[in-house]
Parts: sequence; structure tokens; C-alpha cells
Amino acid sequence: QSALTQPPSASGSPGQSVTISCTGTSSDVGGYNYVSWYQQHPGKAPKLMIYEVTKRPSGVPDRFSGSKSGNTASLTVSGLQAEDEADYYCSSYAGSNGGVFGGGTKLTVL
Amino acid sequence: QVQLVQSGAEVKKPGASVKFSCKTSGFTLTSYYMHWVRQAPGQGLEWMGIINPSGGSTTYARKLQGRVTMTRDTSTSTVYMELSSLRSEDTAVYYCARGNYYAKFDSWGQGTLVTVSS
Repeated sequence: QSALTQPPSASGSPGQSVTISCTGTSSDVGGYNYVSWYQQHPGKAPKLMIYEVTKRPSGVPDRFSGSKSGNTASLTVSGLQAEDEADYYCSSYAGSNGGVFGGGTKLTVL
Repeated sequence: QVQLVQSGAEVKKPGASVKFSCKTSGFTLTSYYMHWVRQAPGQGLEWMGIINPSGGSTTYARKLQGRVTMTRDTSTSTVYMELSSLRSEDTAVYYCARGNYYAKFDSWGQGTLVTVSS
């Protein structure tokens, strides 16, 4: 099972919006509405930010939103704040192969 | 509150085995699926497998099949993961994560660093 494809880096200034893409195949991202996004600060465990493509867990700011079109899912962070600087990973259910992650995107707040 | 507390760091020689534990509290273990995810130094996340604590059924990532075994002890609300025939590429932080069948991980342990070195 190949990893999902994410850009290695993304950046934006405080207050701006940034979108991170996550491209898979019809066997994972395109085949199911089970895409999640995770935020990971250095030395910390990942934190769930978005699940089932668009849903936010309790406590996650509504500045974080998710979407999907075909085999590509996206995470948009609006109104960027300094604390949003972190690594972001997408994941998808992949049927009989279980789960698969993207390679990660380092988000820099300029 | 939901807690997943993992065992401590380990140093292993190539060819050895390692067994991780993940003690859970704050929720009913048998109502969730438990996953294991690892992260090599400076690298991304890698899904390793899933266990259904209710019946003990498992699914492992293809590249790890034959080397990984996930088990659980519902009496102590603990899940375990054993990785055998260790190689240097297995050096990583290993996380347990609570989730569902569809690879959603909503709570994570603190991680366990395993270093494989001769």
C-alpha cells in the first residue's frame, strides 16, 4: 500500500488561509469517505483535527475544514495563527489494506 | 478522561523481538478498535495494524505480516504489540491509538521509542 501524496511544505502569513492536499487512489481516498487529518507538533503525539472528510472533533477550531474531490482530499486552515505551525498528516481507510497515511506537510506560519 | 499509557523506551539488537504495552483507561476498551502507528526519526506516520479488543481479531499492514502480533488483555484494559526480527529500519517511535474500524484515530498514547542497533 503506497503512502498518500502530500506536498512536503506549505506556508502562509497570520490571518491568511492555506490548503494542504492529499492525493490517493480509488482504493483509498477516492473509494471511501473516511479521510482524517492530524496535527503533530514536534515531539508530540498526533492530534485528530478532521475525520470522515469534513467532520471536526469537539474542541477543534472551526478554522480547520476538510473537503474531498475524487481521489484528492484537502485540509484548509483559515485565519492562520502561530500555533497552527506544525506537521499535518492525512490518512484514509484503504479497505482490506487497513489504513494509510500521507507523507506529511510541514506548515510554516510566516 | 481517556488515557493511553505506553511502556518505556527500549534498545534492541538486530534480530531480537520487542513487545509494547498500551494501558487504557477512561473508556471501555471493547467498544473501540485499537491501532498501532509508528514514526521513524524525521519521517512520517506509518499504519501498522488494528485489533478489535472485543474478539481479538487483527489486520496487519502487508509489509509487516509475519513479524507483527497484536493482542489484548481485557481484564487490564491493555493492548500489546510484538515486533520480531528487528532491523535498523524498525527504529522509530511506536504509538497506540484508539479509533474505529475505518482508520480514524481519536486518542493517542505518548509513544515508545525503540532503537535497533548492534
